[in-house]
Amino acid sequence: SQTIHQWPATLVQPVGSPLSLECTVEGTSNPNLYWYRQAAGRGLQLLFYSVGIGQISSEVPQNLSASRPQDRQFILSSKKLLLSDSGFYLCAWSPPDRRNEKLFFGSGTQLSVL
Amino acid sequence: AQSVAQPEDQVNVAEGNPLTVKCTYSVSGNPYLFWYVQYPNRGLQFLLKYITGDNLVKGSYGFEAEFNKSQTSFHLKKPSALVSDSALYFCAVRDLGYSSASKIIFGSGTRLSIRP
Repeated sequence: SQTIHQWPATLVQPVGSPLSLECTVEGTSNPNLYWYRQAAGRGLQLLFYSVGIGQISSEVPQNLSASRPQDRQFILSSKKLLLSDSGFYLCAWSPPDRRNEKLFFGSGTQLSVL
Repeated sequence: AQSVAQPEDQVNVAEGNPLTVKCTYSVSGNPYLFWYVQYPNRGLQFLLKYITGDNLVKGSYGFEAEFNKSQTSFHLKKPSALVSDSALYFCAVRDLGYSSASKIIFGSGTRLSIRP
């Protein structure tokens, strides 16, 4: 069966420090991968998505970047965090077969920038 | 661009009563619609989806949703609410502008509170 791992679960970082959040998927090949941010426990904002290794699409210009160095690995990064980067970050994957559309989410990372 | 709207920030229902969480959509072409649920400090879980076929879609945990093309709505329903249904519910739509990935756009969420 497929599983998605996202870590760390919580993170407290000072303003100006770098960030690296990692997400890996097991039990499937060539998944579509996504990073979402949820602010204040409400709406989800799509940040990045990827359909393959090295293929990243950015939805919102911001202080963050994403990379996909391996088929089932998706990394969210920042060189210098801002206060506004605080939030709940969710990684998700969906099957490459669009007939079976469904997102599977990781358990999330609560990021606090102080 | 595709979008969904959830007009209610919060819905309060007594246990045992029917519940409805509202969602309206705006799409070009045929809509692909979804409902997800989020429990505190967790990722979202898939409840159900509408792609084509019957307007009444049945999903997990006894939930169902009714697709109404004329009203562009996809309301989530359950005949008898449980306290354990208390959570944050998201309506979502697939953006058909992306041919090779399922770009799914979420509504702002509705907090469902079921009182004993």
